[in-house]
Amino acid sequence: DADVTQTPRNRITKTGKRIMLECSQTKGHDRMYWYRQDPGLGLRLIYYSFDVKDINKGEISDGYSVSRQAQAKFSLSLESAIPNQTALYFCATSDPTSLSSYNEQFFGPGTRLTVL
Amino acid sequence: QKEVEQNSGPLSVPEGAIASLNCTYSDRVSQSFFWYRQYSGKSPELIMSIYSNGDKEDGRFTAQLNKASQYVSLLIRDSQPSDSATYLCAVNFYAGGTSYGKLTFGQGTILTVHP
Repeated sequence: DADVTQTPRNRITKTGKRIMLECSQTKGHDRMYWYRQDPGLGLRLIYYSFDVKDINKGEISDGYSVSRQAQAKFSLSLESAIPNQTALYFCATSDPTSLSSYNEQFFGPGTRLTVL
Repeated sequence: QKEVEQNSGPLSVPEGAIASLNCTYSDRVSQSFFWYRQYSGKSPELIMSIYSNGDKEDGRFTAQLNKASQYVSLLIRDSQPSDSATYLCAVNFYAGGTSYGKLTFGQGTILTVHP
């Protein structure tokens, strides 16, 4: 079974619609992240959460919101989708308590979102 | 603005050759460095991490870190067509507080290994 799962895997929606992307993990990691990836722009951080009560904006949070429902679940919402939010979205997790790493991040399979 | 830069490529090498991928970063206050491999349409997969100056080897992969010169590189020995992918460099820039644990990614280098 996958350690980090994302739903849906593909979504096509229309401008102005509200959409939620969900991320679940079974790795037991406290830290979770949302990124978007656009051709030529690499991975950019949208929001991150270091525990259920700690949520922080990343470099491109405008137009997005998040909810950390539990240690294992972190959702990303687009309140009113617009075409330039068309991208590949990734969820990632990390474990700050690991003695063998410095916050290596592990990625889910991604959600391809198209806003028409 | 802390930055991570990579040559976007594409870098093309023949099968069996050594592929050399380079990454430079903008700030000396950094703690950890990662290389991810990403196949087209797939998620990034961690292949190497390095924290100290010098070389770190894992199978056909060697990561090299030089903090004084602010660069990190990835060598792939005996390159195979299955190594064809985009390679992302990521740096954890530390500036205190919650910045620890955030990664900044380069744009990636496309590697093509031809038979």
